[in-house]
Amino acid sequence: KNEVEQSPQNLTAQEGEFITINCSYSVGISALHWLQQHPGGGIVSLFMLSSGKKKHGRLIATINIQEKHSSLHITASHPRDSAVYICARETSGSRLTFGEGTQLTVNP
Amino acid sequence: EAGVAQSPRYKIIEKRQSVAFWCNPISGHATLYWYQQILGQGPKLLIQFQNNGVVDDSQLPKDRFSAERLKGVDSTLKIQPAKLEDSAVYLCASSREGYGYTFGSGTRLTIV
Repeated sequence: KNEVEQSPQNLTAQEGEFITINCSYSVGISALHWLQQHPGGGIVSLFMLSSGKKKHGRLIATINIQEKHSSLHITASHPRDSAVYICARETSGSRLTFGEGTQLTVNP
Repeated sequence: EAGVAQSPRYKIIEKRQSVAFWCNPISGHATLYWYQQILGQGPKLLIQFQNNGVVDDSQLPKDRFSAERLKGVDSTLKIQPAKLEDSAVYLCASSREGYGYTFGSGTRLTIV
């Protein structure tokens, strides 16, 4: 069992749909990260969370520390949102453990 | 601020050859990481440096992989000799406590 579990693995949506990607982790964290990876390979940091909720544009990230669960939401999805979204937990020593990623495809 | 710079972007070599990757982190970021990402999987930590010291290299295949960060800034990762299973994207990242992580664009390595 992975220490960081994401669901779904693959997600296809129509432009404009509301999207949710889920992440569960098995041990305590110092922070939870949501990352975006485009086909070229580079990774962009979207959010770093230790509690509550953060919003940036059409992206919203939430975390429930007690349930060890986080979600990434995309409102009014657009084809340019198509990418792999990766959840990663940070533990002491600034160590990241990554989930397997969710491949999102948004069709026009 | 400039991002994390990596080179080369792509590399194709034959098995048993050697290869080296270079990373220049964000100025002031004390911690530098090398990750290996096999297609369809999440990144896996190979080695973590704090300044020029190694914090964690428990998952680095030391019989063939080596890394250094001599002056606490740039870092190089070397594979010698390469195997087919080393085909992956090699990502460098740097961080500063409380400020999150910044990733480079990665080097896509293909072993033929």
